[in-house]
Formats: sequence, structure tokens, C-alpha cells
Amino acid sequence: EAEVAQSPRYKITEKSQAVAFWCDPISGHATLYWYRQILGQGPELLVQFQDESVVDDSQLPKDRFSAERLKGVDSTLKIQPAELGDSAMYLCASSYPARGTDTQYFGPGTRLTVL
Amino acid sequence: GNSVTQMEGPVTLSEEAFLTINCTYTATGYPSLFWYVQYPGEGLQLLLKATKADDKGSNKGFEATYRKETTSFHLEKGSVQVSDSAVYFCALYNTDKLIFGTGTRLQVFP
Repeated sequence: EAEVAQSPRYKITEKSQAVAFWCDPISGHATLYWYRQILGQGPELLVQFQDESVVDDSQLPKDRFSAERLKGVDSTLKIQPAELGDSAMYLCASSYPARGTDTQYFGPGTRLTVL
Repeated sequence: GNSVTQMEGPVTLSEEAFLTINCTYTATGYPSLFWYVQYPGEGLQLLLKATKADDKGSNKGFEATYRKETTSFHLEKGSVQVSDSAVYFCALYNTDKLIFGTGTRLQVFP
């Protein structure tokens, strides 16, 4: 069964450093999502891509976060500089075939700890 | 606006007990409803879904019925196992967004 891949699974960094997370969606899935999940809470959307275009980044802290999906396949989420409050699980999800499809499939996540 | 409210956990049960986790929602229009499960240290797995009123989603012995009149989507299982211990998230999809509840932790003891 096809899955969403994410790496790394765990990342520990010091505040003010830069970090990057990678996601490879299920093959053929046009829509890709990045979520942040703070411990004890549900995931919250950071950014949504349709192919290579951003369709919703209204909750992305753009002063320090950036996301790209250059070829419309895999994606990278970057934080620079990291802050203590960024410690969370970062989840990637994908859906098929286009925006408006309701079922999203999630990867295993990257757990970020900022010291 | 769109929102999901789940019962607070943890829910603690003995193996083979009956499980109910309550979920209610607020939404405009006709959202799709989901239950996701998250095992320790892992991402979210889709457990079941329902796309319209009176639909029943089911998977692995879990089931939930989309009740428009009570705006609810309660999760049930007749006999839980230790391996069902996880956090369960109710979610709705509406206006191109997936909105999650805060999650309910289930702990099942032998």
C-alpha cells in the first residue's frame, strides 16, 4: 500500500538554528499539506499545495517558515531561525486527485525538539 | 465557522469492554466526517469516514454514524483490545479544510 514518506523522523536542534523537513506524497496525489501538531492537540494546517502552487498559507508564520514543492511532487518545509515554541510534530499529508477531495493520507511525521 | 468538539480523555477501559468516544461538530453546509487514530510516536491513520447524513463508516470493528440532527459522529467499538490504545481524532472536511478535534486518548488494560 502506498504511503506518504517523511524524513527525518526526529530532529533536535538549538534555537536560532535552521531546520528542514522533507515529504514525499503518495504517487499521483496532486494536493500536499503540511500540518503542525503541538503535544496534546489536533493537527493544524500550515500550508497547502496544489501541484507546485501554494493555495493556502494563511497560518504559516512567514517570517521564519517557508515551504516549497518545486516540481509538484516532493516538498520541503524549512524553519529559520527555530524558536523554542516550534517544538512539535510536523505532519505531511496528501490527497487525490485535486483540491476539494476530502480524504487525506498522513505520513509518520517529524518530531522537532528545539533546545 | 467549522469546529469539532471531542470528549476529554483519557478513556480507560478493560479489554473486551464497550467503547464510545463522543464527537460533535459545528459546520456550515454538509461536511464529510472522519475518525483518525494516532499510535504513540506515529502519524495519523485514517480509521473511517462518512460523507453524508445517516452514513455509517466502519473499519476494524470500529463504527460511527453521521447524525445531522444531533451534529454528532460518535465512535464505537463493541469489544476493545489492548492494541487499540491510542489517541483518536475526530475531524470534519468543509470548504477545502480538514479541521480536527483535540483528540481523545484511549487506554485499554488487560
